[in-house]
Amino acid sequence: DTGVSQDPRHKITKRGQNVTFRCDPISEHNRLYWYRQTLGQGPEFLTYFQNEAQLEKSRLLSDRFSAERPKGSFSTLEIQRTEQGDSAMYLCASSLGSATFEEQYFGPGTRLTVT
Amino acid sequence: AQSVTQLGSHVSVSEGALVLLRCNYSSSVPPYLFWYVQYPNQGLQLLLKYTSAATLVKGINGFEAEFKKSETSFHLTKPSAHMSDAAEYFCGIIPNTGNQFYFGTGTSLTVIP
Repeated sequence: DTGVSQDPRHKITKRGQNVTFRCDPISEHNRLYWYRQTLGQGPEFLTYFQNEAQLEKSRLLSDRFSAERPKGSFSTLEIQRTEQGDSAMYLCASSLGSATFEEQYFGPGTRLTVT
Repeated sequence: AQSVTQLGSHVSVSEGALVLLRCNYSSSVPPYLFWYVQYPNQGLQLLLKYTSAATLVKGINGFEAEFKKSETSFHLTKPSAHMSDAAEYFCGIIPNTGNQFYFGTGTSLTVIP
């Protein structure tokens, strides 16, 4: 088991472009979470899935953001019409079991830079 | 809103000295509380968690934290700092609604040889 993986690790894009990030959770983990972390801040919760169902979305997740987990395994996070304020580290985590948010395993993150 | 506050964005200790990282929470009912550590270029890792069982929680790498309801605190301690403890530490909370997770702003720990 290689842990949670995220791809790409770094992404540089121009303002207005769309970007998509992928997260592969630990196999058999039924819950998957997305966070955003800006410099000097703690991670901010964006959304989470239980299997393929998206159960909660933060108010931070504007209409330009969409996340999917179509088969209950990997997940994608898409940002449309990127803005400079979207520059951040995007973290993915997964967990197993019936208790949401407990014992999350985090990936290394995708660092997005919007120029 | 339920949240956590970490006092001190940077803490420096000498190798072998006590580590104390502070976390206070705001919640009308005892929440679930967590400490995560982030080593350079690595993902966050769970150190320990409080889920309404024992108030003194022991975690990995010799860390422990005590839930004090009267002080609304969940400070992280380690009796003797090691160079390998240098990292960013985040306190976290699941509010009683259970539908989100909130991290504090983090404390960067430096260990001086």
